[in-house]
Amino acid sequence: GENVEQHPSTLSVQEGDSAVIKCTYSDSASNYFPWYKQELGKRPQLIIDIRSNVGEKKDQRIAVTLNKTAKHFSLHITETQPEDSAVYFCAALKTLSNDYKLSFGAGTTVTVRA
Amino acid sequence: IAGITQAPTSQILAAGRRMTLRCTQDMRHNAMYWYRQDLGLGLRLIHYSNTAGTTGKGEVPDGYSVSRANTDDFPLTLASAVPSQTSVYFCASSRDRTSYGYTFGSGTRLTVV
Repeated sequence: GENVEQHPSTLSVQEGDSAVIKCTYSDSASNYFPWYKQELGKRPQLIIDIRSNVGEKKDQRIAVTLNKTAKHFSLHITETQPEDSAVYFCAALKTLSNDYKLSFGAGTTVTVRA
Repeated sequence: IAGITQAPTSQILAAGRRMTLRCTQDMRHNAMYWYRQDLGLGLRLIHYSNTAGTTGKGEVPDGYSVSRANTDDFPLTLASAVPSQTSVYFCASSRDRTSYGYTFGSGTRLTVV
């Protein structure tokens, strides 16, 4: 099955700086890569996703890049703010498989220092 | 309000007791999932259902069972709870292959003592 590794496990950044989280996946057939944000005590929520036919996608201060050859994808948060503090999960999915199961990374705890 | 509802929000359970965690969605999503979240281990899939009437095992299914009698409901049962099942449990749903993003419930914090 798919194995998703996520680094770093914790990340502390100064407010206004950028944060980068990296994930690698094992199954070259995976072609959908979402990112979830989980605030303390809350449910995970989808913040951005990318499909394998796209190399980069942006949404305001958040961007995701995908390198299919190297089988890794990254989340970039620019101009970080205190409300960006949360746990972030990457995930991967083979949309042509017989099911819709996402494989999640272990998560990155991001702390934005004021 | 359309979404996915879990109950109870939290529960303390004596070891050996049977417990059913409830999950209901009103979005007419085909697929539903149960994950457990433990510190440092992320989200691990327990069981899933691609459509009503079908279920499948995830990566940590032992000690758990599920059923999917209809589209909306996907209960998770612990037949005889053990302390290692102390965790936060999230139910999630997704529509089909054309809409891959998950919607998560608010979670159930279960403590087995």
